[in-house]
Amino acid sequence: DGGITQSPKYLFRKEGQNVTLSCEQNLNHDAMYWYRQDPGQGLRLIYYSQIVNDFQKGDIAEGYSVSREKKESFPLTVTSAQKNPTAFYLCASRLAGSRGETQYFGPGTRLLVL
Amino acid sequence: AQSVTQPDIHITVSEGASLELRCNYSYGATPYLFWYVQSPGQGLQLLLKYFSGDTLVQGIKGFEAEFKRSQSSFNLRKPSVHWSDAAEYFCAVGANPGSGYSTLTFGKGTMLLVSP
Repeated sequence: DGGITQSPKYLFRKEGQNVTLSCEQNLNHDAMYWYRQDPGQGLRLIYYSQIVNDFQKGDIAEGYSVSREKKESFPLTVTSAQKNPTAFYLCASRLAGSRGETQYFGPGTRLLVL
Repeated sequence: AQSVTQPDIHITVSEGASLELRCNYSYGATPYLFWYVQSPGQGLQLLLKYFSGDTLVQGIKGFEAEFKRSQSSFNLRKPSVHWSDAAEYFCAVGANPGSGYSTLTFGKGTMLLVSP
């Protein structure tokens, strides 16, 4: 089945630690996105990538980093510079040029700080 | 810059009653508009989308939405709510793909509670 997978489902971060969230898609989509979700805040865009080896900062990129070495993978690293990382993180993908610009979402990763 | 307002944080509806969730957007050009639904601890599922043509859009699970350009609105409706519809609903607006990089801007969501 085609889809988007995110791992792990839950992730715990210690003070000063970098952690990496995985996002993989087998939909052959070109564009991929990372969002952060906090209660009552909706979804806020962290980073996005339209093609391999290229990515753009979203609205809240500070304290995060990404890479796009393969079309199907778009990992997000939450660095120690992100002082309030506790949130639900959602990855999405989109077929470039697709009519209606629909994004499809993975199941999410919940990050908690110890 | 585009923006989305969902005026209702919570809505409670009796099972079997009709539902309307409000969404207002701000965008200079013709928008792409979406409604997504999220169950607790899950990802977002697309309910329906509007990008052109008929302003009344049908979606999954018996939902529909109407695009009203004059009111900058894209309200979601369902004639009879089921208990399984209880979830959080997000409206989103997308930039015209001709602008280059395409992103979505989401509203803050409306939590739907269904009472017996």
